[in-house]
Amino acid sequence: GAVVSQHPSWVICKSGTSVKIECRSLDFQATTMFWYRQFPKQSLMLMATSNEGSKATYEQGVEKDKFLINHASLTLSTLTVTSAHPEDSSFYICSATPGGTRSNQPQHFGDGTRLSIL
Amino acid sequence: QKEVEQDPGPLSVPEGAIVSLNCTYSNSAFQYFMWYRQYSRKGPELLMYTYSSGNKEDGRFTAQVDKSSKYISLFIRDSQPSDSATYLCANLSGSARQLTFGSGTQLTVLP
Repeated sequence: GAVVSQHPSWVICKSGTSVKIECRSLDFQATTMFWYRQFPKQSLMLMATSNEGSKATYEQGVEKDKFLINHASLTLSTLTVTSAHPEDSSFYICSATPGGTRSNQPQHFGDGTRLSIL
Repeated sequence: QKEVEQDPGPLSVPEGAIVSLNCTYSNSAFQYFMWYRQYSRKGPELLMYTYSSGNKEDGRFTAQVDKSSKYISLFIRDSQPSDSATYLCANLSGSARQLTFGSGTQLTVLP
């Protein structure tokens, strides 16, 4: 159980393009999902907490106008990297927890999206 | 000082060896402790989840938590080449249930 699906797994696009990444909880409802960014040989860095039906909470230093998050349903959150540039190239990973923000259940992760901006 | 400290390795062991991976943490508010395994270019996969001091065993994996010394460990018995991955310890803290990760230990099990 507790499967999180992320799509696409790999994106290559030109500078200036906007890219949308989807994160779905397949067998549970998730009122809260998390978006991370990971550079090679580094640990995961939390970018934002996505809350169903309300605005996302962004970590310090993360531009909310650059990384648009929409959590329109209990099973889907999307991250849109707007006007992407080469420095946005990274591995983006989402996670979700069954039971919402007050749950003590561990987070389950998607398989990540590798974003390459040319 | 980071809230969670983890030796980044890399760690290389022969097949069949017992592997010990360790993390220390500084925040007494941490209550839940996890170990994740991450293969290259994949998302982290939950291996172990515990919330109390002591040992928790699952197959070849044993998670150990010592809250008094703020020390958590993951033991892998009879290690296999397929165990080669990066292992991340993580703690749960705060009302938003945000994970605090260690930096990860890269493990290679040689056949």
